[in-house]
Amino acid sequence: DAGITQSPRHKVTETGTPVTLRCHQTENHRYMYWYRQDPGHGLRLIHYSYGVKDTDKGEVSDGYSVSRSKTEDFLLTLESATSSQTSVYFCAISGISGETYNEQFFGPGTRLTVL
Amino acid sequence: AQSVTQLDSHVSVSEGTPVLLRCNYSSSYSPSLFWYVQHPNKGLQLLLKYTSAATLVKGINGFEAEFKKSETSFHLTKPSAHMSDAAEYFCVVTLYNFNKFYFGSGTKLNVKP
Repeated sequence: DAGITQSPRHKVTETGTPVTLRCHQTENHRYMYWYRQDPGHGLRLIHYSYGVKDTDKGEVSDGYSVSRSKTEDFLLTLESATSSQTSVYFCAISGISGETYNEQFFGPGTRLTVL
Repeated sequence: AQSVTQLDSHVSVSEGTPVLLRCNYSSSYSPSLFWYVQHPNKGLQLLLKYTSAATLVKGINGFEAEFKKSETSFHLTKPSAHMSDAAEYFCVVTLYNFNKFYFGSGTKLNVKP
């Protein structure tokens, strides 16, 4: 299995509080992604990173920010959590070999509940 | 623009019968295509991938998929379903030499004894 961990694995928080989720990889892959998974929507991209300090928005980025100060860590912050952000959050990594993008490897997920 | 459509949100088969999970994609360029499986309360695991080599791709656990450019399809099949195949399956597309992955909405496979 790819070396990718997420913390915390479960979190319950209250509306309006800030929350930070951490993704850590030991594979030295260049690309890192944050997704949320909700029933009927598959996985939707929140933000991704293509290098240290290089990030870009995905399709559902409102209310979220990210930071990547080291290759191995990618942080997702909910600036002021809302109930609509209750979801399962997955981190993924991918690398390239030659000119071909390899598949993504996924972390185990973080289940976040916002009350 | 790229997109993925999984044509069935739920598929139910009996154990020992064939499995067909359908996926159509739209892409302006040569895509790479993937199938992932997610068992309940687990992360996603790669089943197989197509990256412009052979059009018939074999994956883990007896699954395979065929890339058909003329039909813009990448359907997942398995000759004989097993109870352990019950899970949710996601079709994913990315462009060759691109770094975003686009997910279908998923197909839940139920396997009846």
